[in-house]
Amino acid sequence: NAGVTQTPKFQVLKTGQSMTLQCAQDMNHEYMSWYRQDPGMGLRLIHYSVGAGITDQGEVPNGYNVSRSTTEDFPLRLLSAAPSQTSVYFCASSPTPTGGNSPLHFGNGTRLTVT
Amino acid sequence: DAKTTQPPSMDCAEGRAANLPCNHSTISGNEYVYWYRQIHSQGPQYIIHGLKNNETNEMASLIITEDRKSSTLILPHATLRDTAVYYCIVRFPGTYKYIFGTGTRLKVLA
Repeated sequence: NAGVTQTPKFQVLKTGQSMTLQCAQDMNHEYMSWYRQDPGMGLRLIHYSVGAGITDQGEVPNGYNVSRSTTEDFPLRLLSAAPSQTSVYFCASSPTPTGGNSPLHFGNGTRLTVT
Repeated sequence: DAKTTQPPSMDCAEGRAANLPCNHSTISGNEYVYWYRQIHSQGPQYIIHGLKNNETNEMASLIITEDRKSSTLILPHATLRDTAVYYCIVRFPGTYKYIFGTGTRLKVLA
C-alpha cells in the first residue's frame, strides 16, 4: 500500500515554462487536495476535489489548474511558471471530504524552483 | 475566519510533558480537530484527532474543552525527535477546505 505518491520529488523550471505535478493515491479516497508551503510558512490550500470530475478552489488558486478524471489521480498544472511559485507542494487525500474519523494523508512533497 | 490560532514557538525539556494549545473558536458542532506535525520539510504526519471527548493514542493525548473552542495536544514525555512544527486544523465551516494556520514550532531541549 503506497499511500499518497507525488512525482517528481524535485523540479527546476524557467519562468514561463509549464509542467504538471503528479499526485496518485491507492486508497480509493474521495477527497484530494493540493497545498503549497513557502519557506518558514504554514501550508496554504491551492485546490481540492471531492470526487472524480469535481474540483474547487482553495485559498491560493491563481496560476494553477487541476482536474480529477479518476479517483486515484489529482494532477496540478502550472501553465506559465513564475518565480513566486517557487515552493514545496504537498498533495493530501482522505476517504471523505467531510473529515470525521478520517484524517488527511499527505505525500512527501515536490520541491519546485522557478528561476 | 476559520483559521486556528497557535503560539508561534515553545520550548520543552527532554523527558517532560509538552502541552501545545490551539484556539479554534469558530469550530462547528460536528467538526473534528486534527493535529499534525511536520519535521523539517517532510509531509505533515498525522498525530491524533477528536470531536468532544479527550483522546489518547500511542503518540499523544488530546484534551478538548467542553465548549470545543480550544484544545491542547500533550506529548507526555517529549524526546529530541519530537522537535517539529505542530499544526491543529479544522474544516472551514460550510466547505471542504482544511485550513492550516502557522503552527507551533516546538523545540525539545536536551
